[in-house]
Amino acid sequence: DAGVIQSPRHEVTEMGQEVTLRCKPISGHDYLFWYRQTMMRGLELLIYFNNNVPIDDSGMPEDRFSAKMPNASFSTLKIQPSEPRDSAVYFCASQGWGGETQYFGPGTRLLVL
Amino acid sequence: GNSVTQMEGPVTLSEEAFLTINCTYTATGYPSLFWYVQYPGEGLQLLLKATKADDKGSNKGFEATYRKETTSFHLEKGSVQVSDSAVYFCALTTIYGNKLVFGAGTILRVKS
Repeated sequence: DAGVIQSPRHEVTEMGQEVTLRCKPISGHDYLFWYRQTMMRGLELLIYFNNNVPIDDSGMPEDRFSAKMPNASFSTLKIQPSEPRDSAVYFCASQGWGGETQYFGPGTRLLVL
Repeated sequence: GNSVTQMEGPVTLSEEAFLTINCTYTATGYPSLFWYVQYPGEGLQLLLKATKADDKGSNKGFEATYRKETTSFHLEKGSVQVSDSAVYFCALTTIYGNKLVFGAGTILRVKS
């Protein structure tokens, strides 16, 4: 299995631009999680899905952030408009039903100038 | 609420030294406990886990024992290697086993 796949691996954009991060979970996994990692705040859960349905989005920082999961093999995290304080590493993780282990992707390193 | 507290780093050791990274938790009910490791430039990966009191998780020479009486899950390794240099995260699951609550992470640096 290829594991969790994220793209792009690196993104540099200017303030005000729209950013879209993509994730392909491990095939057969029912849960998908989006995290943000910064030096100041550590690892934060933004949102998670179960069977493509958002279950808890209480970690989404504000309305500029949105996430979708149109099918079991694809999810996006969108920031519009982006701001410099959104600069971070964004991780996607997936988990199988009945399991407790989350499998993380390699992350997308976002820099907003 | 649920929370995890880890010892602050960075921890710097010489190769073959003994490692302990302390982790304590606060949780409702009986959580499962985890150690994840993050190597430079990579995502987190599970190192070991324990699902009930007195269980010992182990992997790659690392061990941690679920201590309910002290609400702790300290990570230990008898002889560290340079390749163990990474960030180590202690974590727990909530009662429904979906959301992971992470500690702040501890940077480990091993010198040759």
